[in-house]
Parts: sequence; structure tokens; C-alpha cells
Amino acid sequence: DGGITQSPKYLFRKEGQNVTLSCEQNLNHDAMYWYRQDPGQGLRLIYYSQIVNDFQKGDIAEGYSVSREKKESFPLTVTSAQKNPTAFYLCASSLPRRQTNTGELFFGEGSRLTVL
Amino acid sequence: AQSVTQLDSHVSVSEGTPVLLRCNYSSSYSPSLFWYVQHPNKGLQLLLKYTSAATLVKGINGFEAEFKKSETSFHLTKPSAHMSDAAEYFCVVTPFSGGYNKLIFGAGTRLAVHP
Repeated sequence: DGGITQSPKYLFRKEGQNVTLSCEQNLNHDAMYWYRQDPGQGLRLIYYSQIVNDFQKGDIAEGYSVSREKKESFPLTVTSAQKNPTAFYLCASSLPRRQTNTGELFFGEGSRLTVL
Repeated sequence: AQSVTQLDSHVSVSEGTPVLLRCNYSSSYSPSLFWYVQHPNKGLQLLLKYTSAATLVKGINGFEAEFKKSETSFHLTKPSAHMSDAAEYFCVVTPFSGGYNKLIFGAGTRLAVHP
């Protein structure tokens, strides 16, 4: 079945370590996104990519990095520069504007990162 | 500027009674509006979407929402709550403008359903 796969589902990190969260999609979507979710704050956009080899900062990009070497993959690295990384991270994808007028996103199941 | 306000952070209903989750939006453009549902430790699932084709939108699991431009509202309703409806619900707006699909999320409403 088509969908978005995030891994790992749970991840623990010591302070000062970088960690990478995986996101893979087989929906043939051009655009991919990373969101951070904290209790009571809804979702905040970290990075997004509209096409391979291109990505843009979202609202809270500091302390994070991404790459988009393949259409199917959009990994997120949480670096040691991120001061409060404990959160639930959601990856999403969508069709570009020219193919849909709804703008809906398709989400993965999320990855929960805890800093010890 | 676009924004979305979910008027209740928590809603509690009894099983079998109606559900009302309120959402107001602000958008400079003709928006698309969505409701997503999230169960604990899961991703977000699209419940329904408004795209100007019809003001009353029907979604999955018996949910529906009505777009009221004069009130800038997009409230989510269900005639009879089920225990499985307990989850967090997000109202989302995105403008009809060029560029990527910039979705603006509300803070969420947590729905509790009691027996």
C-alpha cells in the first residue's frame, strides 16, 4: 500500500548527540515536510521540500537539518544545537499545487524523540 | 495573514450524544479548510476538506463540517459520538495562493467520550 513510513517510532538521545529521523514515501509526491508537535501547541513547520535537491526553512528550523537527494526520502537530523529537542516529529507529503487544489497533506505515523 | 483558532482545547461528551468542535479562521485569500484527527502517538488522518465546491462537507466516520464565510467558521460536528472518536482534532487552513502547500494548524481540540 502507498504511504509514508517514519522510523524509528521511538528514539532516545543523550545531550550533545545528533540523531537522524527517517521519512520515506511511495506516493510519488513531489513535496515533503517535517513538523514538530509539542503538547498544546499544534504543529510547527521545521523544513519543507518541493522538489529533489531543494528545501526551505520553515518556522522553527534552528537546530535541524535536512536533505532531499531522492524523491522518496526526506531525512531530518536533530543536531546538538537544538536546545529542546524532546518532541513528536511528523513527516508529511503532498502533491504540488498544479495537480491538486486542496493542498492536503498525507502524514506518517510519527517519531517520538526523548533527550535523556 | 492566515490564522486558525480552535475555540475549545478540551471537549467532553457522552457516548451517543452530539459532538461540536469549533473552528474560526482568518484568511486573506479564498481558503481551503481541513479537519484532521490524531489518535495517541499516531500521525494525522484527514477527516474532511472544504474546497469551495459545497459549504456542507461530509467526511469519514460520520463527521461533517459547514463552511460559513460570513462567520469565518468551519465547525466540525457528528450526530452521535462513539468511544472510538476520542482523539485530538485539528482545524487547518491553507490559502489558494501559489507556492507550496503552507498549512496553518490550530492548536487542537482534545475530544473525550464517556460511556
